[in-house]
Amino acid sequence: GNSVTQMEGPVTLSEEAFLTINCTYTATGYPSLFWYVQYPGEGLQLLLKATKADDKGSNKGFEATYRKETTSFHLEKGSVQVSDSAVYFCALGDSSYKLIFGSGTRLLVRP
Amino acid sequence: SAVISQKPSRDICQRGTSLTIQCQVDSQVTMMFWYRQQPGQSLTLIATANQGSEATYESGFVIDKFPISRPNLTFSTLTVSNMSPEDSSIYLCSARWAARDNEQFFGPGTRLTVL
Repeated sequence: GNSVTQMEGPVTLSEEAFLTINCTYTATGYPSLFWYVQYPGEGLQLLLKATKADDKGSNKGFEATYRKETTSFHLEKGSVQVSDSAVYFCALGDSSYKLIFGSGTRLLVRP
Repeated sequence: SAVISQKPSRDICQRGTSLTIQCQVDSQVTMMFWYRQQPGQSLTLIATANQGSEATYESGFVIDKFPISRPNLTFSTLTVSNMSPEDSSIYLCSARWAARDNEQFFGPGTRLTVL
């Protein structure tokens, strides 16, 4: 069946460091891919998405490219801020629009 | 952005009781879903709430334990029945609008603690 695998956390970085959070997926067909973010004490927010191969989703300085050949959707940001500290979830949307989530990666950015 | 509200935001309940969680969206949606987030874990889909008919449950979830209603296009309820401490989780509803590029938005969640 469909599944999503994310790198284990927590990831601890200094402010202005480069961020990569790895996400790979297993799916039949052509799923949509998403990154969601959960800030401390808040609900889940859609960060970015990509709906087909080679699409690049971007938002708030974050980017992720849908790579069909490597079945990956890695999240990147060139310079993280303390305010980016949160839990990040990679998710796959199947043909029935249900979302399958990865385990989540906690990011802690130190000043 | 979409507005999805849930009530209650949190509750502490006794073992063996039931709790009904309400989800209200600000406009007619194509689909509504219920997810569970157990402490420190990821989200797992419980069921798809179907308007005017029985919900579609995922493997491991049954109607007797998690009855769901969706009487119209903007409202749904999830009941957690005969609760045990293992049901302590955050329960989230989500909604998808076809007109909004099929993006799925989430409510703020209901934090349930069962003693």
